[in-house]
Amino acid sequence: NAGVTQTPKFQVLKTGQSMTLQCAQDMNHEYMSWYRQDPGMGLRLIHYSVGAGITDQGEVPNGYNVSRSTTEDFPLRLLSAAPSQTSVYFCASSYAQGASLYGYTFGSGTRLTVV
Amino acid sequence: DAKTTQPNSMESNEEEPVHLPCNHSTISGTDYIHWYRQLPSQGPEYVIHGLTSNVNNRMASLAIAEDRKSSTLILHRATLRDAAVYYCILRAFKTGANNLFFGTGTRLTVIP
Repeated sequence: NAGVTQTPKFQVLKTGQSMTLQCAQDMNHEYMSWYRQDPGMGLRLIHYSVGAGITDQGEVPNGYNVSRSTTEDFPLRLLSAAPSQTSVYFCASSYAQGASLYGYTFGSGTRLTVV
Repeated sequence: DAKTTQPNSMESNEEEPVHLPCNHSTISGTDYIHWYRQLPSQGPEYVIHGLTSNVNNRMASLAIAEDRKSSTLILHRATLRDAAVYYCILRAFKTGANNLFFGTGTRLTVIP
């Protein structure tokens, strides 16, 4: 089925460990973004990309890296996990231009716990 | 990005209409009004969007005030599956990045 696929669905890390959250979409969307959602709060933008090779920071980028080597994939890397990064992470994609005219498609999320 | 204000929570009886309000008094002429919802343990889901005129789709209707300073998402017959957090978001129509900035939304409870 077409959509945004996130892996893994659940992950537990120890403080200081690094890992990569995977995000892939098969809709040929140019625009992809990563959000985090802490308990009882709305989503906050971490990083985004408007096309292959182009990335930029969102509201809360510290502690995270991204790259966009292909249109389909947009991995999020945690460099040195901290308990404050315990959250649910969502990846989303859309058309880059006219994005206000179309809805964003979100993945089902990765629930990350840092101990 | 212009800010929106929504009630923290609302309740509705099953199979009755639900009107979810959103205030956006600082909206600019190029801002579209988007609505998303998030069901428990899922990612947000696009519901509807509009600019000036009222909009209808299979999920809901969007009523936009004439001065565009407020809008209302209308679910015509609430079902238990509509229990979710509903987010009202303003997005400027522009090229380049078009990020969504979420507030805390309205938690809708549907009573059987």
